[in-house]
Amino acid sequence: DIQMTQSPSSLSASVGDRVTITCRASQGISNYLAWFQQKPGKAPKSLIYTASSLQSGVPSKFSGSGSGTDFTLTISSLQPEDFATYYCQQYNSYPITFGQGTRLEIK
Amino acid sequence: QLQLQESGPGLVKPSETLSLTCTVSGGSISSSSYYWGWIRQPPGKGLEWIGSIYYSGSTYYNPSLKSRVTISVDTSKNQFSLNLSSVTAADTAVYYCARHATVTTYFAWFDPWGQGTLVTVSS
Repeated sequence: DIQMTQSPSSLSASVGDRVTITCRASQGISNYLAWFQQKPGKAPKSLIYTASSLQSGVPSKFSGSGSGTDFTLTISSLQPEDFATYYCQQYNSYPITFGQGTRLEIK
Repeated sequence: QLQLQESGPGLVKPSETLSLTCTVSGGSISSSSYYWGWIRQPPGKGLEWIGSIYYSGSTYYNPSLKSRVTISVDTSKNQFSLNLSSVTAADTAVYYCARHATVTTYFAWFDPWGQGTLVTVSS
């Protein structure tokens, strides 16, 4: 299985900040990577697919980059509604696997 | 707008079989060439893919759960179902159903998702 490792596991930031979350794959996955946002008690919501494509309806403050083994999710100008847990998911290889999550908290 | 809704018992006894159904509305499982999947999330933990099924019935299962998982599809009811046998407390989780986002392939991200249902394994 491909292991997906996110860093940091948790992150404190202030409203207005720009933050970056990293996801590293244990082997190359081309650009077959997605990012999700999950708020407490809610299902994950797709933000980014194929590493850098924005899901329809997702604001452009979210951006993704990377290829191969190293990927990033950047969120600019943090607003209160952005504080949530973020997960990456690889879909290059069977079985599909997720990162362990990054909890973004208000400082 | 495509919507998915999980249903099933919220409490299952150890060693028994967990059974859940996902009902799809706003679109037809049989007329759309997508894979449909189950993902779970233990309380306070991360996401784990369980398995997926194509509208035709072909399946992929997570190797870590394969011996205990069966996923089936009922196109006449626009539903697909999960059976997980011989459950233990470690199977306590929120169970989500979701659609693979790209037609004809298992290799896709998940979108949209159902709201999730908590299943507790306890005597």
